[in-house]
Amino acid sequence: DAEITQSPRHKITETGRQVTLACHQTWNHNNMFWYRQDLGHGLRLIHYSYGVQDTNKGEVSDGYSVSRSNTEDLPLTLESAASSQTSVYFCASRGQGSEAFFGQGTRLTVV
Amino acid sequence: AQSVAQPEDQVNVAEGNPLTVKCTYSVSGNPYLFWYVQYPNRGLQFLLKYITGDNLVKGSYGFEAEFNKSQTSFHLKKPSALVSDSALYFCAVRESNTGFQKLVFGTGTRLLVSP
Repeated sequence: DAEITQSPRHKITETGRQVTLACHQTWNHNNMFWYRQDLGHGLRLIHYSYGVQDTNKGEVSDGYSVSRSNTEDLPLTLESAASSQTSVYFCASRGQGSEAFFGQGTRLTVV
Repeated sequence: AQSVAQPEDQVNVAEGNPLTVKCTYSVSGNPYLFWYVQYPNRGLQFLLKYITGDNLVKGSYGFEAEFNKSQTSFHLKKPSALVSDSALYFCAVRESNTGFQKLVFGTGTRLLVSP
């Protein structure tokens, strides 16, 4: 079955380190998204991509970057991790249909 | 800009009773509306959607939602709650008549079904 997977599931890193979270989908979806989930804020959009070589900023993009070199992957990079980036991160993809499909999430702790 | 409001942080209901989780939205055009459910330590799972057509939409696990354009609402309902329905529920909206694909989420409502 097609799926969307995130790795790692849990990550602890130090302030100032560069961190990359992986997202891989096997649906061949063009649209991919990164959200962060924080108590009281729900899910907020970090970056999104409509296809290969396309990337766009979401509402909370500062300190994050993404790249889209192929259809399957949209890695999220924290250039210099900060404690404010401690969160649960979700990747999602969407094809021609309306609904998005979500990965299991990555819990990131910045100490 | 699109927005979604879920006015209740938590809804408590006894097993067997009907449940309602409220959602109101704001978009400038026609909405695509969605409900997702999140179980502990899991990702979001799609429950149901409204695109067009009948205002009452049926989804997974016996859930349904009613689209009300005049009240800009899309409340999630189930006739008889199960303890296993206890989870975090998110409403989301996307504009249908633009090329913009962004899905905007509410802050979530925790549903607690007691035995």
